[in-house]
Amino acid sequence: GDSVTQMEGPVTLSEEAFLTINCTYTATGYPSLFWYVQYPGEGLQLLLKATKADDKGSNKGFEATYRKETTSFHLEKGSVQVSDSAVYFCALSDDYKLSFGAGTTVTVRA
Amino acid sequence: ETGVTQTPRHLVMGMTNKKSLKCEQHLGHNAMYWYKQSAKKPLELMFVYSLEERVENNSVPSRFSPECPNSSHLFLHLHTLQPEDSALYLCASSQKASGANVLTFGAGSRLTVL
Repeated sequence: GDSVTQMEGPVTLSEEAFLTINCTYTATGYPSLFWYVQYPGEGLQLLLKATKADDKGSNKGFEATYRKETTSFHLEKGSVQVSDSAVYFCALSDDYKLSFGAGTTVTVRA
Repeated sequence: ETGVTQTPRHLVMGMTNKKSLKCEQHLGHNAMYWYKQSAKKPLELMFVYSLEERVENNSVPSRFSPECPNSSHLFLHLHTLQPEDSALYLCASSQKASGANVLTFGAGSRLTVL
């Protein structure tokens, strides 16, 4: 079945550092790809998405490009802030069901 | 209220208790979901109600029983749970249509089984 693998955390960074979280997927069809973020004490929120190969999703300084040839959707941000501390989930959707990765905990220190 | 609302936010129950989790969405969506979030594990899809059709994960134990009386409300009935069922239970909704299926999540119900 469809699945997502993302890098294990936790990841600890200093403010203004570069962040990358790797995500690869396995799917039989042509899924849509997502990054969701979960701040402490809250549910998951959509961060960005891409629906076809070579699409780039972006939001709040985060970017991810749908790479069909490497089956990847890595998340990047050039300069993180303390407020970016959260758990980040990569996900794919084929039809109406979402499959999530295990999540990567990111802590940004001032 | 807007978005997806879950109650209670926290629940502690014994193994012989019966309780229910409630979810309500105010987005006009036509699909609702229950996910289980355990530490260091991928989110586990438990149940989906889409256009009044229920789809379930066959690995979910029968001690979890969903109910979806209408498109805005979703319940998860709990009975004779085990300590390993302690987790964050997330409700979500979406508009099932062609293209990317974006889920809107509630804040979750934190369940502790003693």
